[in-house]
Amino acid sequence: LAKTTQPISMDSYEGQEVNITCSHNNIATNDYITWYQQFPSQGPRFIIQGYKTKVTNEVASLFIPADRKSSTLSLPRVSLSDTAVYYCPPGSARQLTFGSGTQLTVLP
Amino acid sequence: NAGVTQTPKFRILKIGQSMTLQCTQDMNHNYMYWYRQDPGMGLKLIYYSVGAGITDKGEVPNGYNVSRSTTEDFPLRLELAAPSQTSVYFCASSYSGTGMTEAFFGQGTRLTVV
Repeated sequence: LAKTTQPISMDSYEGQEVNITCSHNNIATNDYITWYQQFPSQGPRFIIQGYKTKVTNEVASLFIPADRKSSTLSLPRVSLSDTAVYYCPPGSARQLTFGSGTQLTVLP
Repeated sequence: NAGVTQTPKFRILKIGQSMTLQCTQDMNHNYMYWYRQDPGMGLKLIYYSVGAGITDKGEVPNGYNVSRSTTEDFPLRLELAAPSQTSVYFCASSYSGTGMTEAFFGQGTRLTVV
């Protein structure tokens, strides 16, 4: 059964780059790696998805090594509004579980 | 385009009462999910469905039931409400093909059982 492990919490200061790493145990060959962001009192929202190497969009970058046993979400120059919980669920869409996520707190 | 719509947004139930949380999506997604989120905790999967007529248990199914008679609707039923079911409930949907998954979430239903 696929499972992911990520840090419980991280602190950063405004303007810094933040990297959150997730370990992917038993990820299936066909599954993509996806990250979500959740603000208080809201449902999670999709941030970025990739299969291998590096993916970048207007919000974040995602780095995935060749063995796909981990992934790193990179948030450039964070602001206070990036304070949220970040999730890297196991890849299977069939039984999409989220775990506890990483609470990122951005300090002024 | 409404996405995933949940009703009601808030509800207070008395112990032993029953209710149905409604969830509708207009994206023609095959997969749908129900989660609960307790304060300060992550999301726990209650039930999921991979298509109309097919449902399966998630991590915490006890005390809940679901049905999926159409692609669009995935209601969650609480039969005998208990204080332990006080939580925020999220419905989500996704289209899964070739391993790619992007789930879309509703705004949530905040349920209090007293």
